[in-house]
Amino acid sequence: KNQVEQSPQSLIILEGKNCTLQCNYTVSPFSNLRWYKQDTGRGPVSLTIMTFSENTKSNGRYTATLDADTKQSSLHITASQLSDSASYICVVSDYGGATNKLIFGTGTLLAVQP
Amino acid sequence: EAEVAQSPRYKITEKSQAVAFWCDPISGHATLYWYRQILGQGPELLVQFQDESVVDDSQLPKDRFSAERLKGVDSTLKIQPAELGDSAMYLCASSQSYRAGGYGYTFGSGTRLTVV
Repeated sequence: KNQVEQSPQSLIILEGKNCTLQCNYTVSPFSNLRWYKQDTGRGPVSLTIMTFSENTKSNGRYTATLDADTKQSSLHITASQLSDSASYICVVSDYGGATNKLIFGTGTLLAVQP
Repeated sequence: EAEVAQSPRYKITEKSQAVAFWCDPISGHATLYWYRQILGQGPELLVQFQDESVVDDSQLPKDRFSAERLKGVDSTLKIQPAELGDSAMYLCASSQSYRAGGYGYTFGSGTRLTVV
């Protein structure tokens, strides 16, 4: 069964600190992996998208890594800000079948405190 | 920057009433998706359109939910009658093609439904 699992479920850090969020997936075949940021009460916004051949991709203070062999990804946030408080969702594209679905993780809820 | 428009942002309705949500995708995006997101969980696909045709509605509770995209542009999702368990965020997303594999995939801001 295609699944995306994220850890930790929730995380509290102090402003200015770094943190790393984890994503493990069992999706096959694999097309790409995306990290989304979802503010409370808003829709998800894409941070990065990586294909099989990409190991790392950055977007400002966000850096995502991908190990396609172990089927693991991480999202590293540097010098956190209060505005980083949100849910971060890992999404894997299933490049198979007619509908080419996106499989969503349940997210990591990050709280950045002053 | 192009956006997926959704309305209303918030909706409170009584149990057994009808409710409808509207979505206008990014211009030129052929594929439109409706998702339901329960608090603390990831989005769950309800229905996927390619132009005006439904390509996947396997998770849509068809006894009470309906969706249409008559002219292949904007779309409406309806619930009748609403139940307490329908309280959730309803998200619309669009992409240039369902073969995009997530590229160009953009979400709207969602409609927060509360059934009382």
